[in-house]
Formats: sequence, C-alpha cells, structure tokens
Amino acid sequence: DVKVTQSSRYLVKRTGEKVFLECVQDMDHENMFWYRQDPGLGLRLIYFSYDVKMKEKGDIPEGYSVSREKKERFSLILESASTNQTSMYLCASRAGGRNNEQFFGPGTRLTVL
Amino acid sequence: AQSVTQLDSHVSVSEGTPVLLRCNYSSSYSPSLFWYVQHPNKGLQLLLKYTSAATLVKGINGFEAEFKKSETSFHLTKPSAHMSDAAEYFCVVRPLAAGNKQTFGGGTRVLVKP
Repeated sequence: DVKVTQSSRYLVKRTGEKVFLECVQDMDHENMFWYRQDPGLGLRLIYFSYDVKMKEKGDIPEGYSVSREKKERFSLILESASTNQTSMYLCASRAGGRNNEQFFGPGTRLTVL
Repeated sequence: AQSVTQLDSHVSVSEGTPVLLRCNYSSSYSPSLFWYVQHPNKGLQLLLKYTSAATLVKGINGFEAEFKKSETSFHLTKPSAHMSDAAEYFCVVRPLAAGNKQTFGGGTRVLVKP
C-alpha cells in the first residue's frame, strides 16, 4: 500500500517562529510537492522537487523554503511564521511521467497565532 | 498559462439521484485532466483521469467524466448518488508542456441528503 506521511496532523505556532513540516513517501517517487489548501481556492502549489537537492518554485513560494536531502523526504520551512500562513498543508508525491497520479498525505493543519 | 473553473462551489443532491459536477479549463497545450476526491479528514484520492485516449473516462465508485475539447469542459457525473459520495471534489489540469505544474480548481463540496 502506497504511503505519504506527514509529521503532524495539527500544529499551533506563534508569529515569528520557524516552522518545519516534514513529508515522507515510501514509493521511490522522483517528484514531491507541497501545497496549501484554503476554502474556495483549491490547492495552490508552493514548491516542488523533481530530484534530490532539486527544487522549483510553485505559484505561491513567498515566505516558504524547502529542503530535499533524501529522495523519500521533502521538508517545508516557514522561516518566520505569520498569521496569513494559517492553512492546511498537503504533501504529495508522483512518479515520473506526465500522466501519473499524485499521492497525497493526510495534511497538516497549521495555526499561527 | 492554464486555469480551471469549477462552476459550483456547493452541490446538494438526494440519495439515488444523479450527480453533476462541472469543470471548465483553459490550457495553451493539450492537457491531461484529473478529478480527485477528498473525504472529511482524509487525503485526496484520484477518481479518474483523461490522458488523450478515450474521451469518456470511467473512474472508481461509479463516477465518469467526459472530455469535450470544443467546450473545454471535463464534467464529472454519477447516475445515482450514495451517502458515501459526500466529499469535496477537485478538477485538475496538467498541460503537456507544464512539466510538473498542474492547476487545481477551487473545489466543489457535495452534500447528499437521505
């Protein structure tokens, strides 16, 4: 059974804190993604990675950075959390190939106070 | 650039009646199109995908979608709704030349009444 796991289901942080969200996949996928999900806006791509140590900005990268030191792990970093980063964060992975399905983790609901 | 519009943010149906979720897209290149479902407190799951083969695509749980290039649409249907279909549904476009980038619609929340 394929699996994408995220380190926390719920997280509460204070403004200005540095926040790490971790994602691990066990399918040996090349591609990994971080999205945020907000009501009425669907999922918006923050960053993605197509190989170890490789990353590309998505549609809303401001205020975020990522790290991919190992193929199975993709981390999202909020350098200085702000209240407008309160959201649901979803990690996904996908094998190479345009038509392949993305597999999603359960999400981390982050609240920044 | 590409975009996806899900025409209804909420749809309410009675159990046993048909479900129609509308999706229109724009894309500069031939797209692949997907529908995902998200049940409460669960991750997104693929329902079906169109990849330039048959224009009528069948997916899991009795859902199907038809790709209509002339109308730039990819509407999702099911002949008879079940209570377990209550969820949020997302239409996704992935153009040929977009690399790994895909665009999600805003989502349609489905309520199924007994």
